Amino acid sequence: ETGVTQSPTHLIKTRGQQVTLRCSSQSGHNTVSWYQQALGQGPQFIFQYYREEENGRGNFPPRFSGLQFPNYSSELNVNALELDDSALYLCASSLGGGENYGYTFGSGTRLTVV
Amino acid sequence: SQQGEEDPQALSIQEGENATMNCSYKTSINNLQWYRQNSGRGLVHLILIRSNEREKHSGRLRVTLDTSKKSSSLLITASRAADTASYFCAKRKAAGNKLTFGGGTRVLVKP
Repeated sequence: ETGVTQSPTHLIKTRGQQVTLRCSSQSGHNTVSWYQQALGQGPQFIFQYYREEENGRGNFPPRFSGLQFPNYSSELNVNALELDDSALYLCASSLGGGENYGYTFGSGTRLTVV
Repeated sequence: SQQGEEDPQALSIQEGENATMNCSYKTSINNLQWYRQNSGRGLVHLILIRSNEREKHSGRLRVTLDTSKKSSSLLITASRAADTASYFCAKRKAAGNKLTFGGGTRVLVKP
């Protein structure tokens, strides 16, 4: 059973650029959630995907967008990067939305915007 | 703001001692989950406790839930240096589909 894989592990981008982060969910999981974690803070919910549809969104602007593919893998896209977007981006997969089971997290992508 | 606020924010103990951290929340929950994070890496799920449960155990971990006080606690018994990490509680609301994390408790276990 493979866990959640995120790529890349580290990324440096310039303000105004666009970035795509990728996540492969754990085998058997159909739901993917994305979180942003600033240094020293708890993870903040960005959005969740279930069966290729957005299934809930946190307080993030529209320049944060995502996709889920038929194999349940997912992408997080961020346009017009700002310095405050520098953070650890975590992907988590689950069976359902966490009603009965916990989430399995990837190791994250550390994004630095300069 | 972050639901599920942990207390204390930081905790330093000697190996072998017990560590207790608390989590409060504001609205009705379906379940509450505890996670561990080592050095800014991914989070590891520890325990899920449902709103109709009062206590759960997993190895050296004990979680309690008091829905009347809207609070939960995580106890780590006989701590080890390897328990050094940040611990987060995450609340899943009765309605909705997201986990909301608190700010975490940073635990340092000194050998």
